[in-house]
Amino acid sequence: AQSVTQPDIHITVSEGASLELRCNYSYGATPYLFWYVQSPGQGLQLLLKYFSGDTLVQGIKGFEAEFKRSQSSFNLRKPSVHWSDAAEYFCAVFMFSGGYNKLIFGAGTRLAVHP
Amino acid sequence: NAGVTQTPKFQVLKTGQSMTLQCAQDMNHNSMYWYRQDPGMGLRLIYYSASEGTTDKGEVPNGYNVSRLNKREFSLRLESAAPSQTSVYFCASSEAEYQETQYFGPGTRLLVL
Repeated sequence: AQSVTQPDIHITVSEGASLELRCNYSYGATPYLFWYVQSPGQGLQLLLKYFSGDTLVQGIKGFEAEFKRSQSSFNLRKPSVHWSDAAEYFCAVFMFSGGYNKLIFGAGTRLAVHP
Repeated sequence: NAGVTQTPKFQVLKTGQSMTLQCAQDMNHNSMYWYRQDPGMGLRLIYYSASEGTTDKGEVPNGYNVSRLNKREFSLRLESAAPSQTSVYFCASSEAEYQETQYFGPGTRLLVL
């Protein structure tokens, strides 16, 4: 079955530390991949996306993600976390499926940042 | 540009009451979507409209109806609210169904007692 998995429900890092949020998907073809961020009480904001080409993509706010086809992964990274990065992060995969085209979201990873 | 706007921001309903959630976008997008967000489950697609005049079911359509009023507006109606519909509802839009980047509204928090 098609699915998106974010293995970490909660992650806590210290300000200035590096960050990696994991995302794995299950899909037969190469999907389109997204990372969204949701601040408390807000809607989702697109951080970055991968459609094709260079497997390392840069996004806003200093985030980057790497698509690894062999691992069916699209992990989000940031070299130095700021307190304002505390939020919930969603990986999403756009899949072309029989019934309709759909954007499937992972359950999310909540990031806390210690000063 | 306001992007995607949703009204109301908050709503409390009693079981069996009806209500309509409103969504509008000013980006001239063709496709619009309604999602619900529940803890630990990410977002799930309720209904979507690939273009003006068309609507289709998503993953969790039961208990909901939608109307694509015009290109800008896409409403979600709960005819007889149930406690299981307590959730946060997000509207989104994209240039076209195959234009995969979706832009989200701020959400509507709904509590059904």
